[in-house]
Amino acid sequence: GAVVSQHPSWVICKSGTSVKIECRSLDFQATTMFWYRQFPKQSLMLMATSNEGSKATYEQGVEKDKFLINHASLTLSTLTVTSAHPEDSSFYICSASWSSGNDEQFFGPGTRLTVL
Amino acid sequence: DAKTTQPTSMDCAEGRAANLPCNHSTISGNEYVYWYRQIHSQGPQYIIHGLKNNETNEMASLIITEDRKSSTLILPHATLRDTAVYYCIVRNDGGSQGNLIFGKGTKLSVKP
Repeated sequence: GAVVSQHPSWVICKSGTSVKIECRSLDFQATTMFWYRQFPKQSLMLMATSNEGSKATYEQGVEKDKFLINHASLTLSTLTVTSAHPEDSSFYICSASWSSGNDEQFFGPGTRLTVL
Repeated sequence: DAKTTQPTSMDCAEGRAANLPCNHSTISGNEYVYWYRQIHSQGPQYIIHGLKNNETNEMASLIITEDRKSSTLILPHATLRDTAVYYCIVRNDGGSQGNLIFGKGTKLSVKP
């Protein structure tokens, strides 16, 4: 149990376009979802935390107007990278928790974004 | 910043036990020690967590010192598929302080 999926697994886009990444909890209801970013040879950095039906809470230094997060249901959260640039190329990983973040986080497989 | 210190890398022979140390000298009384691992180009995978007692599950054992300032993750019989980056994370299981803060981890290479 506790499976989290992401779609797409990888995406290549042109600079200036927007890209949407989906994160789904397949067998449980995720009250809270987290979005992380991981640059090559670096560790995961938390970008934002979202609770179903509420606005996301962004970490310091993460532009909320550039990284749009929607957590419209208990099984789906989306991250939209708007007007993507090459420096946004990264590995984006989501995780989901069935409580307000106190319990176990289950991670998705990640999405590799490459912006040309 | 991560509250833990881990060696950058370690090697282990296949079939032998892999012992991964972690220092968390500033851990407070209500903080747990969590271990995750990340195989190349995949999302992190939960391994085990504990507060002060030693813990064991089907994947690994977690040994926490009595003063809780350090811990060791033990993979009893390492296989090639255990090659990954292992993250030791100190986490307060409450509210926003329960967020996972990943450090650099230990890159474990299991060799045949």
